[in-house]
Amino acid sequence: GENVEQHPSTLSVQEGDSAVIKCTYSDSASNYFPWYKQELGKRPQLIIDIRSNVGEKKDQRIAVTLNKTAKHFSLHITETQPEDSAVYFCAASSYGGSQGNLIFGKGTKLSVKP
Amino acid sequence: NAGVTQTPKFQVLKTGQSMTLQCAQDMNHEYMSWYRQDPGMGLRLIHYSVGAGITDQGEVPNGYNVSRSTTEDFPLRLLSAAPSQTSVYFCASKAGQVYNEQFFGPGTRLTVL
Repeated sequence: GENVEQHPSTLSVQEGDSAVIKCTYSDSASNYFPWYKQELGKRPQLIIDIRSNVGEKKDQRIAVTLNKTAKHFSLHITETQPEDSAVYFCAASSYGGSQGNLIFGKGTKLSVKP
Repeated sequence: NAGVTQTPKFQVLKTGQSMTLQCAQDMNHEYMSWYRQDPGMGLRLIHYSVGAGITDQGEVPNGYNVSRSTTEDFPLRLLSAAPSQTSVYFCASKAGQVYNEQFFGPGTRLTVL
C-alpha cells in the first residue's frame, strides 16, 4: 500500500521568512496530493491540493510543487505570519477500488516566531 | 449545513468496556472514513466506506468495527477497549471521486484506563 514520508517533523522560522515542507510517496499510481493544516485542538482543514497532471499550484502565500518522477511533493509558505503556526500534513491518494483513501504523512509542526 | 459531526467530544473508558463513536454528515457524501491521531504518528486510516452497506479496512483496523446502514451515519465501535486505543478519533467524508475535498469532523478524544 501507499506510504508517505514527511520532513521535517518540526520547523521554526522567523516571521516573514519562507517555510518548506517535503513529502515523498511510494505508490506510483497516486494522483492526488492534498495538504491539511491543523491548529491546536482543531480538526484538519484542507489548504491546498494538486493533481498529478499539474507540476505546481499557487494560492496567495502558499504553493505546492509535484515531481512525479521522483515521487515527491512540497509545500511552500512565503512571508510567514504567526497565524501560520500549526501542524501541517501531506497526503497521497490514488483512484481505484478504495475510492481514493487519503494516506497521511506524520506531520510537521511549524512555529512562526514574531 | 452542519457538515461532519461527531459525538461524544470526550470519553473515558476502562479496559474491556465497549462503546460506539458516532459520526454523521449532512452533505450526502458517499465516502466516509475513520482516522486515529496519535502524537508523532499523523492520521492513520482505521476503516472506510464507499457507500451504504459497503465497508472496508484501512491501515489499522484491529479492535474496531464499523457499519454503514445509511448514507449519513458511520459509527465506529470498540468492542473491548484497550489502553492502546487511547487516541483522538476523526471521522471524515467526501463526495465519491478521489479529487474531492475530504472534510473532517471535530474529533473525539478517547482515554482508556
